[in-house]
Amino acid sequence: GAGVSQSPSNKVTEKGKDVELRCDPISGHTALYWYRQSLGQGLEFLIYFQGNSAPDKSGLPSDRFSAERTGGSVSTLTIQRTQQEDSAVYLCASSRLRFGSEGYTFGSGTRLTVV
Amino acid sequence: AQKVTQAQTEISVVEKEDVTLDCVYETRDTTYYLFWYKQPPSGELVFLIRRNSFDEQNEISGRYSWNFQKSTSSFNFTITASQVVDSAVYFCALSEADFGNEKLTFGTGTRLTIIP
Repeated sequence: GAGVSQSPSNKVTEKGKDVELRCDPISGHTALYWYRQSLGQGLEFLIYFQGNSAPDKSGLPSDRFSAERTGGSVSTLTIQRTQQEDSAVYLCASSRLRFGSEGYTFGSGTRLTVV
Repeated sequence: AQKVTQAQTEISVVEKEDVTLDCVYETRDTTYYLFWYKQPPSGELVFLIRRNSFDEQNEISGRYSWNFQKSTSSFNFTITASQVVDSAVYFCALSEADFGNEKLTFGTGTRLTIIP
């Protein structure tokens, strides 16, 4: 597609349930990032994929969070046993070149609400 | 460790005024990249500029200009003759040119409101 696509756009879940968030990067983009933006806050890095290299998971806040990227394309961020503090907008970004030579393109995000 | 500070939380100016958004960064790398992003009320982040640490030339794009000063570790963004459509949250970000550490570190953003 023309841009980074994220689904669902909104997700309301009950505390303790698992959720999966999906990101479809721009075709041909080798780098893929997940960020989290809490209400009125900046962007918090979660995880980074670059080609076939091992992902940089240094930003994942707890072991309830995991992500995978299949075939170097689509990525899924999974949050297990959701907590209220997980409520945020989860943003995905992709880049064709390393170090954002052409900038990073962000999706519209998934707004997660844990009730 | 890399860090980006945007000390201005919120700024309001009257339309057609000029406004400068400040960004100060910290990094131990000699090669790094600086970015500005715009997040309008719709929520989607829009890429504005990327600057290489070896290129200190200021850049102008229409009403937007950027002033990069390594001596003060600053990468400030000026909007000239502001317009209502410029109302948004603006984020400054830093990426170190370090294979294996390619994350983008964002500042907390500056909310800019242009008053018509």
